[in-house]
Amino acid sequence: ELKVEQNPLFLSMQEGKNYTIYCNYSTTSDRLYWYRQDPGKSLESLFVLLSNGAVKQEGRLMASLDTKARLSTLHITAAVHDLSATYFCAVRQGNSGYALNFGKGTSLLVTP
Amino acid sequence: GAVVSQHPSRVICKSGTSVKIECRSLDFQATTMFWYRQFPKQSLMLMATSNEGSKATYEQGVEKDKFLINHASLTLSTLTVTSAHPEDSSFYICSARDRGLAFYEQYFGPGTRLTVT
Repeated sequence: ELKVEQNPLFLSMQEGKNYTIYCNYSTTSDRLYWYRQDPGKSLESLFVLLSNGAVKQEGRLMASLDTKARLSTLHITAAVHDLSATYFCAVRQGNSGYALNFGKGTSLLVTP
Repeated sequence: GAVVSQHPSRVICKSGTSVKIECRSLDFQATTMFWYRQFPKQSLMLMATSNEGSKATYEQGVEKDKFLINHASLTLSTLTVTSAHPEDSSFYICSARDRGLAFYEQYFGPGTRLTVT
């Protein structure tokens, strides 16, 4: 069974600070996703990581993938309040028609 | 491109009644659609995988007689919650997999908030 673990689950950080969210998964997968979810909303796609060593950046967020360690990170640089949201990583299952298996999510609160 | 819609966005129903939720791929054909459920402050859990023209595959613990899924066309899948109870109150999100892309990418709908009173 594919398991996806995120940590931390809750993160309160000050504006301007840096932090990293970690995502570990238990079995081989061909891609890893990062999503953002605002309260009451659906998922917003942030990154799709396809290969070992992949790194993608968008604004203050940077995601990386180490397939050998089965680890992905989402790094936040100089956080701003607008980044407050819940962030999910998800790994694509080989069975179930390529459905996604989600981590529990990291609830991020950026404070002044 | 790659837009998925859901209808309704929000529904309130009485216990014992049935509710139908639609998921449509607006600008692509989706041979496969997925239904997820998200309880407050929790993650998304896959309920079922729906393939066009065939029966849905349900995840363990999901009652197929309670959550009826129909995927009659390449752009529409429906989820009917039958005899709804308060514990079925949740955020239901569908996603659709694009058959046209080599990597079978999937796109999420905006979700349907179901409240059963």
